[in-house]
Amino acid sequence: QKEVEQDPGPLSVPEGAIVSLNCTYSNSAFQYFMWYRQYSRKGPELLMYTYSSGNKEDGRFTAQVDKSSKYISLFIRDSQPSDSATYLCAMSEAGFKTIFGAGTRLFVKA
Amino acid sequence: GAGVSQSPSNKVTEKGKDVELRCDPISGHTALYWYRQRLGQGLEFLIYFQGNSAPDKSGLPSDRFSAERTGESVSTLTIQRTQQEDSAVYLCASSTWSNIQYFGAGTRLSVL
Repeated sequence: QKEVEQDPGPLSVPEGAIVSLNCTYSNSAFQYFMWYRQYSRKGPELLMYTYSSGNKEDGRFTAQVDKSSKYISLFIRDSQPSDSATYLCAMSEAGFKTIFGAGTRLFVKA
Repeated sequence: GAGVSQSPSNKVTEKGKDVELRCDPISGHTALYWYRQRLGQGLEFLIYFQGNSAPDKSGLPSDRFSAERTGESVSTLTIQRTQQEDSAVYLCASSTWSNIQYFGAGTRLSVL
């Protein structure tokens, strides 16, 4: 079993839809939870990070962490074609290696 | 600059040649990471630096790969006797103690 599991997709949605991206993990010691967006032929860009449990909102993006279920989510409201990218989850404990998910490819159709 | 800088952005080389890839981390970031990403694939961890020491080299695929870092500054990843399977994007990231990593744009390596 991988430490971090993420469905590679692809996920295709119409413009304006609410998108839910998810990862599960096995290491209960993880403290930092990150979401990255990667456009084709670009490096990953940090979208949001959360320390420990709870929700964090930034514009159309909401990150949720449920440590009891070892499950994290990224929600995108009012999705736009410009949101089409690969989304990677990542998690770590301070001082230890960050573990990345495989990434979910998202296509938002105009 | 404010972000992680990598050079060159693109490198085309012939099989058997050596290449050096450079990474300039965000100022003040003590940790530096190298990853490899093949087309359509996820991130493959190569090596991690804390300061100028490398506590985790577990991802280096062979002894043709090496990396060094000067203090808490620039790092170079060297690939000797390049092979076609080395063709990929090489990404560098840096972080503070939190391990929240910030990535450069990558170096796209093509071995002919």
